[in-house]
Parts: sequence; C-alpha cells; structure tokens
Amino acid sequence: GDSVTQMEGPVTLSEEACLTINCTYTATGYPSLFWYVQYPGEGLQLLLKATKADDKGSNKGFEATYRKETTSFHLEKGSVQVSDSAVYFCALSGSGGYQKVTFGTGTKLQVIP
Amino acid sequence: KAGVTQTPRYLIKTRGQQVTLSCSPISGHRSVSWYQQTPGQGLQFLFEYFSETQRNKGNFPGRFSGRQFSNSRSEMNVSTLELGDSALYLCASSLGDRGLYEQYFGPGTRLTVT
Repeated sequence: GDSVTQMEGPVTLSEEACLTINCTYTATGYPSLFWYVQYPGEGLQLLLKATKADDKGSNKGFEATYRKETTSFHLEKGSVQVSDSAVYFCALSGSGGYQKVTFGTGTKLQVIP
Repeated sequence: KAGVTQTPRYLIKTRGQQVTLSCSPISGHRSVSWYQQTPGQGLQFLFEYFSETQRNKGNFPGRFSGRQFSNSRSEMNVSTLELGDSALYLCASSLGDRGLYEQYFGPGTRLTVT
C-alpha cells in the first residue's frame, strides 16, 4: 500500500537558518503530494501541493519539488522564522481511483531566536 | 467561505461510555474524512464518507463508526470508550472528486477518557 516516510524530529534551528525536511513516498501510479502544517492547538493546514512530476509547490517561502525518480518531496525554506515553529506533515493521495490520503508521522520544527 | 467546523471542541468521558462527534464541512465539499491523532501513533485514518457512503476505512475496531448526512455533515461515534481512545479527532473535508484530494481540516475535538 501507499506509505510516506519523513525525517524524525524534533528539528531545532536558529532564526534565519535554512530548513530541509525530507520526505519520501511509496505509491503506485502518479500520486498527488502535499505538505501540511499544524500549529499548536490547531488542526492541519495545507501548506503546499504538487500534482505531477517536476511540479514545484510553494507558499509562504516554503518550497517542495515532486521528484518521481527519487520518490521524494522534500520541504525547504531559505530562512526560517520563530513563527514557523510547528509540526509539518508530508502526505500523498493515491492515483487510480478514490484513494484516501496517507500522512507521514510529522516532523516538529522549533525555531529559536 | 466558512471553514470546517467541529463540535464539541473538548470532551471528557468515562470509560465504557459512548460519544458522538460532529463535523460540518466546507460548503460544496462532499467528502469528509476522520483522523485520530495521538502523540504515540501520530495521525491515523479512521474513515472517509462521500455522498453519504463510506468510501474508505482505516484499521480501527468496530467501536468506531460514522455516518454522513445529505447535507454532507458527518458524525463519528465511539462506543464503549477505552482509555486509549483519548486523542484529538480531526475532521477534514474535500471536494472528493477523482484526483482532487486537497483536504481542509477542522480544529479538532479533544477527547479525554477517564
């Protein structure tokens, strides 16, 4: 079945540092890929998405590129802020029919001033 | 456009009781999914409803059930509560059509079982 693997956290960075959170997936066909963010005490919010190979999703300074050859969708940001502290989830929705969304385990990011 | 709403936001129940949680999706969304989130297990898929039919189901015991109404609002029910059912229950809605699985989450219902 489909699966998503993302790097273990927590990740602690200083403000203005570069961020990379690794995400790899296993799926048949051509899934859509997503990054969601969860701030403390809240539900998940869609951060960005990509629906086909080589697509780059971007939002709020975050970027991720759909790499089919390496089955990866790594999340990157050039300069993190304290307000980026949250839990980040990589997810996919399978292709070929009505598929549920599969989430990774989440990576907690803490940005310190 | 109003977001996904969940009621109640917080709930305390005793072991053995049952509970019903409610979710109102974004207007026009026909798919509603439910997830259980715990520190130990992360985000686990419970089930998805689309146009009043359960379309997908996760690996949870039969104590967990749900339904969807004609207006797309959904409820989930947990019977014979156990301590391990304490969790944040998240509801997400989407258009649900083939290939359109961008999900919008509600704030969740925090269930505590004592």
